[in-house]
Amino acid sequence: GQSLEQPSEVTAVEGAIVQINCTYQTSGFYGLSWYQQHDGGAPTFLSYNALDGLEETGRFSSFLSRSDSYGYLLLQELQMKDSASYFCAVRDSNYQLIWGAGTKLIIKP
Amino acid sequence: NAGVTQTPKFRVLKTGQSMTLLCAQDMNHEYMYWYRQDPGMGLRLIHYSVGEGTTAKGEVPDGYNVSRLKKQNFLLGLESAAPSQTSVYFCASSLSMGGTDTQYFGPGTRLTVL
Repeated sequence: GQSLEQPSEVTAVEGAIVQINCTYQTSGFYGLSWYQQHDGGAPTFLSYNALDGLEETGRFSSFLSRSDSYGYLLLQELQMKDSASYFCAVRDSNYQLIWGAGTKLIIKP
Repeated sequence: NAGVTQTPKFRVLKTGQSMTLLCAQDMNHEYMYWYRQDPGMGLRLIHYSVGEGTTAKGEVPDGYNVSRLKKQNFLLGLESAAPSQTSVYFCASSLSMGGTDTQYFGPGTRLTVL
């Protein structure tokens, strides 16, 4: 079967750095995406990795290691507005997105 | 641009009732998707469409039907609602299904089946 594993909850302090990990097991792999979802809201796209390495977009960075079937999302200079759930998603051999269960990020002042 | 819109935003059904959820996008996207999201879980793909007049099954299609008569609209139907279909339903659209393509989501429909 296909599965993506990510921690259910992570807590960090405002201004700090936090890393959210994602390991995957899918039939085929065409990239790892990260989405953010605030409570009651819709998912919004954050980043995408097709090749190994680090992609940086402002305060957010995403990393991929295809040999380890592993990736992470790194959030720097945390702000209270970053409190949300973060989902990793893998595009499989059918080009469909398979989603992880999400990581709830709790930020404390 | 409104992006992706969904109607209704909330709905309560009794077991056995039917309903249709409407999704509309104004970005001229070819691909459209219907997902459901249950508490503490990620999104699961119900059905998707790669263009006007075409639809395909996703991960959890049972109990749902879809139609894409116009490029901008994607309808999700529940013929005989069951309590297990209580969920938040998200529609999304994208230019393609490959590579870096981003999916844009509607605000969601919260459905409760009693």
